Parts: sequence; structure tokens; C-alpha cells
Amino acid sequence: QKEVEQNSGPLSVPEGAIASLNCTYSDRGSQSFFWYRQYSGKSPELIMSIYSNGDKEDGRFTAQLNKASQYVSLLIRDSQPSDSATYLCAVNALTAGNKLTFGGGTRVLVKP
Amino acid sequence: ETGVTQSPTHLIKTRGQQVTLRCSSQSGHNTVSWYQQALGQGPQFIFQYYREEENGRGNFPPRFSGLQFPNYSSELNVNALELDDSALYLCASSLAQTGGEQYFGPGTRLTVT
Repeated sequence: QKEVEQNSGPLSVPEGAIASLNCTYSDRGSQSFFWYRQYSGKSPELIMSIYSNGDKEDGRFTAQLNKASQYVSLLIRDSQPSDSATYLCAVNALTAGNKLTFGGGTRVLVKP
Repeated sequence: ETGVTQSPTHLIKTRGQQVTLRCSSQSGHNTVSWYQQALGQGPQFIFQYYREEENGRGNFPPRFSGLQFPNYSSELNVNALELDDSALYLCASSLAQTGGEQYFGPGTRLTVT
């Protein structure tokens, strides 16, 4: 079992719709959770961080965390073609020096 | 505020050679982490440096080594390059006390032939 799992996609979403991305993790000691966006050929860009159970909203992005069920999700509202990218879920288990463990990423395609 | 910078951008090496990659952390950040990202996969943690000492290491052999300098910049050295070392090498900087938000540089694309 992988430590952090994501559906590889592609997740195809019409422009203006909501994109819903999910991520599950295995380490119950995980404390911090992050979503990165990575355009093809570029490096990951931090878009959301979440530390407590519940929802956190930032613009068109909402991160949701459920530690009991060991999942974290990302919603992208009013999806735009510029949101087409790979979204990486990362988890920080503080037992190993702030190491981030990444999932394989979900590719999102927003179609005009 | 300057972001994370890495050099070189691209590099082509031959199997068995050695390579050094460089990273300058974001202004105000004191921790540097290195990751390897193979094509189509998520980044894999190599190691982290804090106050010039290694502060955690992933599942990479000893031929992957690093340094951090007093100005918080860092180097990643890889000896005896193998074909499987071909990847995007990412440096990320952070403040150790902020609980993990890491900001990535543009990366170095290493090709081993």
C-alpha cells in the first residue's frame, strides 16, 4: 500500500464546473497536508495547506481534511482552462524531519 | 523577497560520472529539502538540511549526499551516476518552525546517458 494515494486521472471537467480531487494517506501520525499544482515541465507550486479537520477556503480552492478517515480533498470551483495541470497531494509526518510524502498526482483537464 | 533558485536548469551526464546541483533558499528560510521526481511520478524525498546538518533522509543510497552552507544555500551531490538517476531534481525551502510549508525552486533536469 502506497503511503499517499491519488487517482491518476485524467479528470476531465467542463469549464465553469467543480473539480473534486481526493487523496488518502496511511500514516496516522501525519500532521500537515498540502496541495501542489504542477504544470507540465514546471516545478510544483503550493496552492493550499491544511492542518485541522474541516474545510479551508482560499479563492476558488477549498481543501477538506478528515483525519479519522485519513483523507484530504481539494475542490476547484468555477474551473478554468488554466487550471489544467497535475495536482499533487503531500503529507507531512513530523517524525522524519518535516519530510513531505507525495502522492502520484491527479491530472486535471478543463475543457472549454 | 527572492524565491528559490536552482542551477543548472538542465544537465546531461554519462553513467558513472558525478554531478553537483545547487540551490539558494527563499529569503528568510533556513531549511532546504531535496526531492527527486521521475517522469509521471510524485516527488520523492532525498534529504533535508537544517542549520548545516542533515535532518532526515529518504530511501536513497549514500552516493546521494548534500551540504548546507551558512547562508542556507545547499548542494546535492550524486556520485557514480546510473541511468535511473535521470529525473527532475527539486529543491524546496522552508522555515523549520512553520510545520512543513515548502516552496519549490524551478528544478534541475538531469539526464544520464
